[in-house]
Amino acid sequence: DIVMTQTPLSLSVTPGQPASISCKSSQSLLHSDGKTYLYWYLQKPGQSPQLLIYEVSNRLSGVPDRFSGSGSGTDFTLKISRVEAEDVGVYYCMQSIQLPRTFGQGTKVEIK
Amino acid sequence: EVQLVESGGGLVQPGGSLRLSCAASGFTFSSYSMNWVRQAPGKGLEWVSYISSSSTTIFYADSVEGRFTISRDNAKNSLYLQINSLRAEDTAVYFCVREPTFTSAFDIWGQGTMVTVSS
Repeated sequence: DIVMTQTPLSLSVTPGQPASISCKSSQSLLHSDGKTYLYWYLQKPGQSPQLLIYEVSNRLSGVPDRFSGSGSGTDFTLKISRVEAEDVGVYYCMQSIQLPRTFGQGTKVEIK
Repeated sequence: EVQLVESGGGLVQPGGSLRLSCAASGFTFSSYSMNWVRQAPGKGLEWVSYISSSSTTIFYADSVEGRFTISRDNAKNSLYLQINSLRAEDTAVYFCVREPTFTSAFDIWGQGTMVTVSS
């Protein structure tokens, strides 16, 4: 199975400041079709997870542009340019290049 | 409104069975592959099972292979998960999840149904 490793596991951020979460995979997520199968989700407190970014850097419709994803191969990053109170929760990366689909451990983001 | 609503969870003894259901609305259910993802209390996310739009392709996580059965009824806009031989480690919230047509991700999640395995 592909192991997804997120760092840090928790993050305390002052509103308006940036935040960055790293996700590393144990194997390359670049498929022969040219796509990289790396996704980011946010699970807000008491809610189901929601998809933020697909295939490394594509924001889902309705996701604020303060969220951005980057990376390639095995190293990926989710950045929040200016954290807002509504961004609190647990962020997960996920790979779907290979079964089973696997998630990172999650990064808990809270507001200072 | 696009919606997935799970039901069927509950408290069950080890070795018991449950059938989870997921009612889909607001989209053409028969056009989408679907999945089940679970989350143990206070833990992260674990993919459980996948079924293609026409039920021709099905996959399971190793941890549930042989004990869980995914199925769907496109005429009823419903997804199911039959879970047998339940173990304590199956205790989790089970989410019904839609897979969009444009990428291999999970774009719509239900609110989840809790399965507790305990004697």
